[in-house]
Amino acid sequence: EVHLVESGGGLVQPGGSLRLSCAASGFTFSTYWMSWVRQAPGKGLEWVANIKEDGSEKYYVDSVKGRFTFSRDNAKNTLYLQMNSLRAEDTAVYYCARDNWTDYWGQGTLVTVSS
Amino acid sequence: DIQLTQSPSFLSASVGDRVTITCRASQGISSYLAWYQQRPGKAPKLLIYAASTLQSGVPSRFSGSGSGTEFTLTISSLQPEDFATYYCQQLNSYPRTFGQGTKVEIK
Repeated sequence: EVHLVESGGGLVQPGGSLRLSCAASGFTFSTYWMSWVRQAPGKGLEWVANIKEDGSEKYYVDSVKGRFTFSRDNAKNTLYLQMNSLRAEDTAVYYCARDNWTDYWGQGTLVTVSS
Repeated sequence: DIQLTQSPSFLSASVGDRVTITCRASQGISSYLAWYQQRPGKAPKLLIYAASTLQSGVPSRFSGSGSGTEFTLTISSLQPEDFATYYCQQLNSYPRTFGQGTKVEIK
């Protein structure tokens, strides 16, 4: 069974940094693109980024380019989202997902950017 | 960026009703469209991919159609567990945008 578990969310001040992790299991992690999608409180879904199987290609939504870095460790079946220079508008639940038509999602981790 | 516009944004329906949600893309996306269901407090769930292919395990009352710029999600007979918010997403180009969502509530 595919299982994705995010961690690392929390409260951070504007301008601060946070690193999210996503532990994957139940499938051959190294053969799939993976994604992050976020959802601000009471709002819709926003695609954030994705990463190729070997980490050699990454794509980001414009609003996070230069601030967020998506990486993966295939030996540990884990994704990372390094988030720097955080803004209030980055406040959201962050979901990791398998990028096969986004067929499996984690339960999400809440990031709150506030002073 | 490709914009996706869902209509309606909100609909009220009864159990057993046939429900249709439309998703219009600002430019052609072939069949690179997916539909998701999200219940309150839960992660989204993939229902339909490639515009019309039913994801494994999804009830057959859900169906999708369309290509190019206009797509529809149909629920043939609404069930109590179908009251949720539905999103379309295009996977034709980056960034992979979502529609704004359609909330389906009980009449």
